[in-house]
Amino acid sequence: GQQVMQIPQYQHVQEGEDFTTYCNSSTTLSNIQWYKQRPGGHPVFLIQLVKSGEVKKQKRLTFQFGEAKKNSSLHITATQTTDVGTYFCAGHSGGGADGLTFGKGTHLIIQP
Amino acid sequence: NAGVTQTPKFQVLKTGQSMTLQCAQDMNHNSMYWYRQDPGMGLRLIYYSASEGTTDKGEVPNGYNVSRLNKREFSLRLESAAPSQTSVYFCASNIAGYNSPLHFGNGTRLTVT
Repeated sequence: GQQVMQIPQYQHVQEGEDFTTYCNSSTTLSNIQWYKQRPGGHPVFLIQLVKSGEVKKQKRLTFQFGEAKKNSSLHITATQTTDVGTYFCAGHSGGGADGLTFGKGTHLIIQP
Repeated sequence: NAGVTQTPKFQVLKTGQSMTLQCAQDMNHNSMYWYRQDPGMGLRLIYYSASEGTTDKGEVPNGYNVSRLNKREFSLRLESAAPSQTSVYFCASNIAGYNSPLHFGNGTRLTVT
């Protein structure tokens, strides 16, 4: 079945440093979505990428979708304490009506 | 506009007991989903309902049943709870399919002793 691998599992950064999480799929994806989950909260949708090589930005967050549509990344510039949480990617290989497959997430821990 | 509402928020069961987790959405979404979240495992799909009247198995359906009661409501039932079902359960909904954003409820924290 489809697998979505996400690295790293944990990332400790000093406030103000940059952060990147990577997502890799064993199959070509039709789309990829990114979610953020604050500690004790529920996942909240951030963005969706659909096109090969697509790059989208949301303030300090930059999302990329690989040319082969098998990998994606989320980069945060100059982290702030409000960025703390777990970032998940989720993708679908297309065909059928099954739901998204989530990566295991990257826990971002920020030290002031 | 409440979004996706799950009840209960917390539940403790003994092995072998049964219970139903309730989920309702008020966004007129067609598709609804049940995920479980375990430490280090991410979110895994249990069951989903692409539209009213249909349900399908996800990645980890064993030990669960679902009912799409109407367009708004999608319940998850544990017939005979096991300690392996200790988890956080999230209900989610979206307009339809895999290419529209998921809206999650606040979750149900279930402990089976």
